[in-house]
Amino acid sequence: EPEVTQTPSHQVTQMGQEVILRCVPISNHLYFYWYRQILGQKVEFLVSFYNNEISEKSEIFDDQFSVERPDGSNFTLKIRSTKLEDSAMYFCASSGSSVTGKAFFGQGTRLTVV
Amino acid sequence: GEDVEQSLFLSVREGDSSVINCTYTDSSSTYLYWYKQEPGAGLQLLTYIFSNMDMKQDQRLTVLLNKKDKHLSLRIADTQTGDSAIYFCAESMYSGGYQKVTFGIGTKLQVIP
Repeated sequence: EPEVTQTPSHQVTQMGQEVILRCVPISNHLYFYWYRQILGQKVEFLVSFYNNEISEKSEIFDDQFSVERPDGSNFTLKIRSTKLEDSAMYFCASSGSSVTGKAFFGQGTRLTVV
Repeated sequence: GEDVEQSLFLSVREGDSSVINCTYTDSSSTYLYWYKQEPGAGLQLLTYIFSNMDMKQDQRLTVLLNKKDKHLSLRIADTQTGDSAIYFCAESMYSGGYQKVTFGIGTKLQVIP
């Protein structure tokens, strides 16, 4: 099976700092997503992205967050001025066809804000 | 909205079969997935089933889908201690131009040697 890759696997940052989480989706996929899992809780939808713009975002995805596809292969999640409660596992996903495409998830980046 | 429900905990003896159950609310799901998450690790896709299928078997794993009852199960045959993990049920559906995935809270499987 093809893979979505995420880097780094673990990031530690100081409160108030900016972080960028990186993802390389599957090469012919068109739809990209970020999800978050706070320790011990559900995996929650953050944002979907298609055609260089956000398709939908959850109420978690406030002005602190932004996404970008800076080139043909990467998809990034930027968190400005991190807070302690941003500590979580962040999962990137991608899918091909919007209607029938299966979503593939990366292994996740564990973000720890100290 | 979409919701996926799972029991929180299951304990089985090594060598027995485990059955993890899940119910979901949205009848327009396209795929249903089972993910495994070991402590501190990411999501590992175990298996998935397309919504027009009833059953899928992959080595020790059997997925059963009852679309009428919106019930999905994962059976692990000959459960091993290495199967101890949290198992997430998830559904995806086409919504607003993309595949939206909704996860259950996860079932913690404890395998007793």
